[in-house]
Parts: sequence; C-alpha cells; structure tokens
Amino acid sequence: GAGVSQSPRYKVTKRGQDVALRCDPISGHVSLYWYRQALGQGPEFLTYFNYEAQQDKSGLPNDRFSAERPEGSISTLTIQRTEQRDSAMYRCASSLMRTGDEQYFGPGTRLTVT
Amino acid sequence: GQSLEQPSEVTAVEGAIVQINCTYQTSGFYGLSWYQQHDGGAPTFLSYNALDGLEETGRFSSFLSRSDSYGYLLLQELQMKDSASYFCAVRDGGFKTIFGAGTRLFVKA
Repeated sequence: GAGVSQSPRYKVTKRGQDVALRCDPISGHVSLYWYRQALGQGPEFLTYFNYEAQQDKSGLPNDRFSAERPEGSISTLTIQRTEQRDSAMYRCASSLMRTGDEQYFGPGTRLTVT
Repeated sequence: GQSLEQPSEVTAVEGAIVQINCTYQTSGFYGLSWYQQHDGGAPTFLSYNALDGLEETGRFSSFLSRSDSYGYLLLQELQMKDSASYFCAVRDGGFKTIFGAGTRLFVKA
C-alpha cells in the first residue's frame, strides 16, 4: 500500500517568504507527527495531531511555525516569513495508534531559505 | 532536561554481532523505540519495548530495563546493508517523541 508522502520534496525560497509543506499520511492512521531533522542528527519533534486535534505543539520553534490537519488526514506545516535558520529537512510521520509507538516516516521536504 | 544518549559511531565486521546502547532521561516514559535510517532515506521502524526484557525480530533484538533507564539494540549476523544510522526514541509522558542523536554503524567486509 501507499506510504506517507510529502510535497514538495525540495523547496527553495527567499528569506521572508511563506512556505507550506504538505504531508499525506497512511490512510487510517490516527496520529501524525511533524519533525525537523538536521544532517547527522535525530528527528526533532515539532508537533503532534490525534485525528484533527493538535494535541502537542511544544516543539514548534516560534509563532512563525503553524500546522493544521483539518479533516484528520492531510496535514500542512506552514512557516511564515522564512529565515535562513529554517533551512532543514522537514519530515512527517504517521502512526496507526494514538500511542505512536510505531511511526512511518515520509521522504521529507528539503527546505532551503536563501 | 530530556535527553537520550547513544554512541556516535560503531564499527563491526560482516557476520559479527553488535550492540548499540541507549540511556534516557525523560520527564515521563511509555516505551523505547528503535529506527534505522540509511543515508538519504527516511527513518524506518525496527522495534518497540514497553516492558523490561528482550524482544526479538529476526536478526534484530531490542532490550529494555526501565529501572536503569537503559536499552539496547542487538544486531546479529551483520550484513553490509546494515550500515546505517540507528536512533533510539522515547515517548515521554505525553505525545512527544524524543529521538537520540543516532549511532552510525559501519559494517566492514
């Protein structure tokens, strides 16, 4: 079956622009996570959704970052007024269970802010 | 603070056994997971331990000691394709999953 998909796979944007990153989880998966991963590091938690409810956004770096999952399926991570320090790999993961013990990761979106 | 500690690199020869340790310090704990990530790829789930003891899945086994805040991933009959980064991860008392910095495994012929 289809895995987690993310789009775009690569995004280059100028500083100050807004970007929207999309995640399409595995059908039927309850939980959805957004992570940021620097090269050579583990994924860094950003936010968590249980269906459409954002139940933890403690990892979002600042108020320029927001996420939504309005119908409990596809999710969008939005970064407003991008800065060079936002350049990173952004990954989403989904899990069948609310506990999220077994997460399936998407291929990621490589964001470069110039 | 919350942290997971694992060795940065491990090298082993093909056919050998290697153990990757992970110690954690988190505000809450529901279980320890392990993920594999090849260069340029996405993390893929390997195993999960919620209770003390050893879980075996083919060539891979994972162990947890909650009293010691410690776990390990054991890889047997190493193959070249096992060369990758391995991450331990802990779900804290809520819904946040915290990952370690990863252990890079090099398998030599």
